[in-house]
Amino acid sequence: KQEVTQIPAALSVPEGENLVLNCSFTDSAIYNLQWFRQDPGKGLTSLLLIQSSQREQTSGRLNASLDKSSGRSTLYIAASQPGDSATYLCASNIMDTGRRALTFGSGTRLQVQP
Amino acid sequence: DTGVSQNPRHKITKRGQNVTFRCDPISEHNRLYWYRQTLGQGPEFLTYFQNEAQLEKSRLLSDRFSAERPKGSFSTLEIQRTEQGDSAMYLCASSSGTGNQETQYFGPGTRLLVL
Repeated sequence: KQEVTQIPAALSVPEGENLVLNCSFTDSAIYNLQWFRQDPGKGLTSLLLIQSSQREQTSGRLNASLDKSSGRSTLYIAASQPGDSATYLCASNIMDTGRRALTFGSGTRLQVQP
Repeated sequence: DTGVSQNPRHKITKRGQNVTFRCDPISEHNRLYWYRQTLGQGPEFLTYFQNEAQLEKSRLLSDRFSAERPKGSFSTLEIQRTEQGDSAMYLCASSSGTGNQETQYFGPGTRLLVL
């Protein structure tokens, strides 16, 4: 059974700081790993998807890396802005025939102080 | 294409009542998922459809829960005899693609409060 853990649970940083969010997973036989953003009371917005064969993906100020052997992924946010304040969730699905469900971590709640 | 939509956005009900939620996926997506999210936690998988076939159900989906996708388009999730523990955000997602290229796109969710 896949278990996904995110550390820290909450993070507060001043505007402009670079930061790293961590995600670890127990089963390395994954199809891919996704990072999502969730604003309070809202649904999830997909940020980045890293395929199992990839090491990293970049979109704007966001960079996500994947190390399957160690069961870790990181989301790097450069030059943080108050608009980045949200909960960030990572999720993976495992290479199990017929199983496509994502297993989520509990998220990191980020607050960027102006 | 306006993304995944869910209705209603909010539902308040009394314990013991039945409720039904609707999800309209992105039109070309053949897979549809239901998740449940409680405060401070990540979403938990409930069930998954490929076209009209329900292919996977979580042990979280008790006998009081039923989901349908009759024509392979929209889906409904019904909860019978609601309990206070059913209070949560119910999220729907849809996807296309295969294997490691599959990206799930989420709707805004339906927030349920059982009094």
